[in-house]
Amino acid sequence: GQQVMQIPQYQHVQEGEDFTTYCNSSTTLSNIQWYKQRPGGHPVFLIQLVKSGEVKKQKRLTFQFGEAKKNSSLHITATQTTDVGTYFCAFSGAGSYQLTFGKGTKLSVIP
Amino acid sequence: GAGVSQSPSNKVTEKGKDVELRCDPISGHTALYWYRQRLGQGLEFLIYFQGNSAPDKSGLPSDRFSAERTGESVSTLTIQRTQQEDSAVYLCASSLAQGVYTFGSGTRLTVV
Repeated sequence: GQQVMQIPQYQHVQEGEDFTTYCNSSTTLSNIQWYKQRPGGHPVFLIQLVKSGEVKKQKRLTFQFGEAKKNSSLHITATQTTDVGTYFCAFSGAGSYQLTFGKGTKLSVIP
Repeated sequence: GAGVSQSPSNKVTEKGKDVELRCDPISGHTALYWYRQRLGQGLEFLIYFQGNSAPDKSGLPSDRFSAERTGESVSTLTIQRTQQEDSAVYLCASSLAQGVYTFGSGTRLTVV
């Protein structure tokens, strides 16, 4: 079935540095969602992207969906310790509500 | 309810025993999902319920796993004859259409 590759698996940054995680698919995606899971917590929905080339911002977070709808990225500007956690991308197949999740990128922020 | 509620939050069981995990979705959410997350790993799809349709059981790892849902409300995930490899956090999520999930806090299952 469809899969997405999420890179990097781990990222350690100094507080104040920027961070980007990428989600890549070999096939066209109808949509993509991003979730954040804090250590010891459960995944929490961040955003959904549907349109080709779409860019959405949430404060210091910028989400992009590629023109070909095969890749997506999450960029955090000037990381803070509150950004620590694992970021997952996820997508649903045509006509299905079930999400397939990437393996996630675990972000550590060094104060 | 206001959120997705899962119980118990923690369960320690002896190898070979059966366990039942419960999920109470957000009222009105037609879709309900179970995922498994092993320590430090991603989310592994188990089963999906949508309204009155037949559930999608394609992710269940073995016949020791089963799940039921009563209408559009509570779901139970049952694991029979538990094995140590079943130790994980079991996450339930519910959604309306469009597949935006709200997750519960999960049940941490430890098989000893």
